[in-house]
Formats: sequence, C-alpha cells, structure tokens
Amino acid sequence: EDKVVQSPLSLVVHEGDTVTLNCSYEVTNFRSLLWYKQEKKAPTFLFMLTSSGIEKKSGRLSSILDKKELFSILNITATQTGDSAVYLCAVVPNAGNNRKLIWGLGTSLAVNP
Amino acid sequence: DTEVTQTPKHLVMGMTNKKSLKCEQHMGHRAMYWYKQKAKKPPELMFVYSYEKLSINESVPSRFSPECPNSSLLNLHLHALQPEDSALYLCASTTTGNNNEQFFGPGTRLTVL
Repeated sequence: EDKVVQSPLSLVVHEGDTVTLNCSYEVTNFRSLLWYKQEKKAPTFLFMLTSSGIEKKSGRLSSILDKKELFSILNITATQTGDSAVYLCAVVPNAGNNRKLIWGLGTSLAVNP
Repeated sequence: DTEVTQTPKHLVMGMTNKKSLKCEQHMGHRAMYWYKQKAKKPPELMFVYSYEKLSINESVPSRFSPECPNSSLLNLHLHALQPEDSALYLCASTTTGNNNEQFFGPGTRLTVL
C-alpha cells in the first residue's frame, strides 16, 4: 500500500533555530513530491520535487529529494514565529490520469519568540 | 489571476438544509478537486474533475453532489448533511500534464448543526 510518513509529528523551536523536516515514502510509480505549508486555512504550495539531488530554494526554505532512499527533507533556516504552521508532504503517483495525492500526516512546527 | 477563490468562507447549516459551495479559478487549469479536511488531518480527496468531466469519486456519500458547469467553476451541492460532515472544504486546481502542484483555495469552514 502506498504511504507517506512525515517526522517528527511536532516540533517546538526558538526563533533563529534551523529545522529539518522529513518525509519518506513508499509509492508505486513515483512522479513527484510536493511540500505545502498550512496555517489556519488552506495549504500553500512550497515546492515540487521530481529529480534527485537538485535543491529547490525559496528564501530561508529549501528542499531536496533522494529517489534512491525514498525521502525528502525540508529545511528552514533562521526560523521566525511566522513559520509556525503544519508542513504537509504529498506524493503524486505516476498513474495516468489519477491525480490522487498521497498525503503524510504533517509536521506541526511551533516557533517560539 | 493566480488564485483559487471559494465562497462562502463560513457556512452553518441544519441537517435539512440544501446549500452549495462554490469554487472558481482563472488560471486555465483543467483539473479541479474537492477535498474535505478535519482538524489535525491531511486533506482527504472527495472528487476530481478533469476537462469538466468527473474522473474520480472517492466513494463520497450522495448527500455531496459535485458539479462543474465550465472549466473555471466547480460547485459542491450539499443536502441532508450530518454533524460529522462539519469540516474545512477545500477546492484545488492544477494544470494537466506533468506539472502537478495543486493550488488550493482558502476553503469553506462548514458546520452542520
């Protein structure tokens, strides 16, 4: 059965810390991996990863995919209180027109001042 | 226009009411989705429309009825809901082809009394 596992489930850090969030997957016919940030409302798209070893970067956030070991990490440097959110990882299987994402449970990040 | 909009933002309804949720996007995306999200859980796929045709129905009860009047609009008609249907209802859209990041609307917070 396809699955996505995120760790840790929750994390509390102080402003300025660097955090690494993990997402491992077991999916038949992998197409891509997505990272989202969710605060009180809808998930906000962060990154889409399709190739191993190529880092995607946006400001203090970066992410990389390892298709051999079947995982991705999301790094946040110099964390701020505004980074407090649930970070969701989802995998897109490569199954024709099936666009059902396989979601992890998320990592709840709290950044304290 | 690079966003997905949803109305209403909040909805409270009784179990005998009929209401509709609306979703709109003008990004030219040809796949649109309805998700249901409960607290502390990832989004749960309900329906997928691809080129205005229903392509995935995740065994959703018939009290939820989707409709895609055109490529920019997606509705979810609600009738005889139960209190356990209270949740955040998210609409998302994506391009077809290999680019599969889904863009989410802000959601409708539904409460069924």
